[in-house]
Amino acid sequence: GAVVSQHPSRVICKSGTSVKIECRSLDFQATTMFWYRQFPKQSLMLMATSNEGSKATYEQGVEKDKFLINHASLTLSTLTVTSAHPEDSSFYICSARDRGGVNQPQHFGDGTRLSIL
Amino acid sequence: AQKITQTQPGMFVQEKEAVTLDCTYDTSDQSYGLFWYKQPSSGEMIFLIYQGSYDEQNATEGRYSLNFQKARKSANLVISASQLGDSAMYFCAMREGPQAGTALIFGKGTTLSVSS
Repeated sequence: GAVVSQHPSRVICKSGTSVKIECRSLDFQATTMFWYRQFPKQSLMLMATSNEGSKATYEQGVEKDKFLINHASLTLSTLTVTSAHPEDSSFYICSARDRGGVNQPQHFGDGTRLSIL
Repeated sequence: AQKITQTQPGMFVQEKEAVTLDCTYDTSDQSYGLFWYKQPSSGEMIFLIYQGSYDEQNATEGRYSLNFQKARKSANLVISASQLGDSAMYFCAMREGPQAGTALIFGKGTTLSVSS
């Protein structure tokens, strides 16, 4: 089945550091990938839609300069949290959808737990 | 207004019993898709079941079935014969419109606890 790989699974770093998270579709091409953020015991909130070869579409309230998204190929999207601060600590999870019928589910990476000290 | 409403923050069930997790949705689109995902404490999102707005029959996948009532805009998940491994958070999600490349909108989730 379709697999999405997300790396790293956990990051602990100092305030002010920039952190890059990778999301790869391993056995299918994904023209669109999605980035979500999840606080403990809460829902997944869509941050942005990543489009291969074009600029990402950000949801209202998400800072474009803070959360840089690059989708340079059909199998890789990256999310960079720039100058991270403790309030950026969260669970970040990406998803991608294989081509095919509209009933195809989005496949999720295993997520990245980001902790900013 | 919320697009996806899950009114049960937590549910408790004993092993081998069936449990229903509620989900109602709000959309003006005629074409949409409804999904259920399971999220264990480890964090990964596991796809369980899908129901399309034009599907006439309720979806079933093993022990999971979706009670789809279109007029009421509800898409409840039924888990039959609960197992200890079913303990997790469950999210109902919707994709609006016919385009498959749109993002999923998630409900707040229901934490299911299965006891022996």
